[in-house]
Amino acid sequence: EDQVTQSPEALRLQEGESSSLNCSYTVSGLRGLFWYRQDPGKGPEFLFTLYSAGEEKEKERLKATLTKKESFLHITAPKPEDSATYLCAVRTGGGNKLTFGTGTQLKVEL
Amino acid sequence: EAQVTQNPRYLITVTGKKLTVTCSQNMNHEYMSWYRQDPGLGLRQIYYSMNVEVTDKGDVPEGYKVSRKEKRNFPLILESPSPNQTSLYFCASSLSVSTDIQYFGAGTRLSVL
Repeated sequence: EDQVTQSPEALRLQEGESSSLNCSYTVSGLRGLFWYRQDPGKGPEFLFTLYSAGEEKEKERLKATLTKKESFLHITAPKPEDSATYLCAVRTGGGNKLTFGTGTQLKVEL
Repeated sequence: EAQVTQNPRYLITVTGKKLTVTCSQNMNHEYMSWYRQDPGLGLRQIYYSMNVEVTDKGDVPEGYKVSRKEKRNFPLILESPSPNQTSLYFCASSLSVSTDIQYFGAGTRLSVL
């Protein structure tokens, strides 16, 4: 059974204080690891897809990396608008089903 | 504007009273799915559809039905809701079954008393 574990559950940062969120996974046949952002009262919003170990993707202050066992979402010099819940998900098998972790709730304070 | 629209956004009902949550997308997407989100459990897939008239079960299909008569619509039906179906529901769509980006609706918060 595919498993995705995210840590920490919650993270509080000061504006400009860089940090990383972790997503560890146990799957058979990874066909993509996804990062989503979810704001209160909204649905998840796609950020990145990573396919193979060593791959990295960046978007503004966010950078996602992937190894054979885990992925990190690095947040550089975060701003209050980066506050959200960040979800990690994996896709395995032939369909488009995503198995999600429970998320990391990030709060960035002034 | 490209979007996935769910209705209603909030619903309170009683055990056994049939209800339907609608989902519509305006992006001509082939693939649509339903998830439920519960604290400590994350998002779990209920049902999915790869195209019109093609639907299949996800991880937690018990107590739910779906239909896909038109490409744009994918309603979720609870024939006899029970309190354990109290949850936050999301509809999602993507261009095809192999497309990376899935677009999610804003969610429907359901309470079954």
